[in-house]
Amino acid sequence: AQRVTQPEKLLSVFKGAPVELKCNYSYSGSPELFWYVQYSRQRLQLLLRHISRESIKGFTADLNKGETSFHLKKPFAQEEDSAMYYCALTDTDKLIFGTGTRLQVFP
Amino acid sequence: GAGVSQSPSNKVTEKGKDVELRCDPISGHTALYWYRQSLGQGLEFLIYFQGNSAPDKSGLPSDRFSAERTGGSVSTLTIQRTQQEDSAVYLCASSLGSASSGNTIYFGEGSWLTVV
Repeated sequence: AQRVTQPEKLLSVFKGAPVELKCNYSYSGSPELFWYVQYSRQRLQLLLRHISRESIKGFTADLNKGETSFHLKKPFAQEEDSAMYYCALTDTDKLIFGTGTRLQVFP
Repeated sequence: GAGVSQSPSNKVTEKGKDVELRCDPISGHTALYWYRQSLGQGLEFLIYFQGNSAPDKSGLPSDRFSAERTGGSVSTLTIQRTQQEDSAVYLCASSLGSASSGNTIYFGEGSWLTVV
């Protein structure tokens, strides 16, 4: 079955430190992968998708098919990055999400 | 109409009562999704509509859950005989076409359901 695994429920770092939020997936075929973010009191929104190969708010994510991973990285975390982050993949006509990782960035 | 709109934003109901949650998608979006967000469970897929049809309702947890969509627009998620384990945030989302076609999915703010 298609599955997305985010092993960390909580990740705490200090401002300026590097951040890596882990995401592993199981999927038969070529998946399309995404990162969604939910800031406090805001709706869930798309952060980035792997096919765009873009950097959004300093975040990047590389699809590693050998390791079936799509980790989200940022070299220098900012306080405003504190949020809930969800990794997701497309399964037929819907998205399947992981359980999410809460990122806390301390000043 | 800016984004996906959901109502009510908060609902407290007694165990055993029925509840209806409403979703207004972004105008012109043919695809509509319901998800459930609960602590420690992430986002669980419930049902997907394309127009008024539901080609994937595999995520509905029991026959107490049902959903419909009319006019290719508004959708209602109904939970009958609510149980305490139904307490969660119910999220609606919409997109121009299906997720498999590369369309971005936009979420509403959710309906927070508490069953007491």
